[in-house]
Amino acid sequence: TQLLEQSPQFLSIQEGENLTVYCNSSSVFSSLQWYRQEPGEGPVLLVTVVTGGEVKKLKRLTFQFGDARKDSSLHITAAQPGDTGLYLCAGAAMGAQKLVFGQGTRLTINP
Amino acid sequence: DAGITQSPRHKVTETGTPVTLRCHQTENHRYMYWYRQDPGHGLRLIHYSYGVKDTDKGEVSDGYSVSRSKTEDFLLTLESATSSQTSVYFCAIRNVGPGSYNEQFFGPGTRLTVL
Repeated sequence: TQLLEQSPQFLSIQEGENLTVYCNSSSVFSSLQWYRQEPGEGPVLLVTVVTGGEVKKLKRLTFQFGDARKDSSLHITAAQPGDTGLYLCAGAAMGAQKLVFGQGTRLTINP
Repeated sequence: DAGITQSPRHKVTETGTPVTLRCHQTENHRYMYWYRQDPGHGLRLIHYSYGVKDTDKGEVSDGYSVSRSKTEDFLLTLESATSSQTSVYFCAIRNVGPGSYNEQFFGPGTRLTVL
């Protein structure tokens, strides 16, 4: 069974600080996605990474896929209150029809 | 916007009653998924469908059944609801085709409370 472990599960920081969220597995994934979810809504796709070592940037968010395609990180620079939400990573094995989700990281950015 | 709607958005029911949740999509996607979301568990797959009348179980399928008689609708049924099925239920579709990598797009969710 493939598992994705996210850490930390909860993170509360002040506006302007930097943070990193980790998503780790012992399994290899062909692709990995990050989603953000706000209260009362469904998850929204932020990014997909597919190549080992790949780095993608989305404004102040930087996503990295590990060289061995077993882990990923999300780094937020100068966090803003609007970044508050639940962040989920999800991976797909080669040929799989399903995604494996991490437990999520609940991020709170305090003004 | 992937054109996904879920109904109802909220439901309160009693233990032992049957409940059906509906997911409707407007973009002819082949793959559809039902998840439940509970604190500390992220999203857990209940059932999914890879075409009309083609479905398969996910990791938490006990107590749930699904049906897909037409492309646009995927129904989730709790035959006899239990309190452990109190949760938020999300439907999703999966993008396939060139340039897609298993991305899924989610509906707004249904909050179900079983008393």
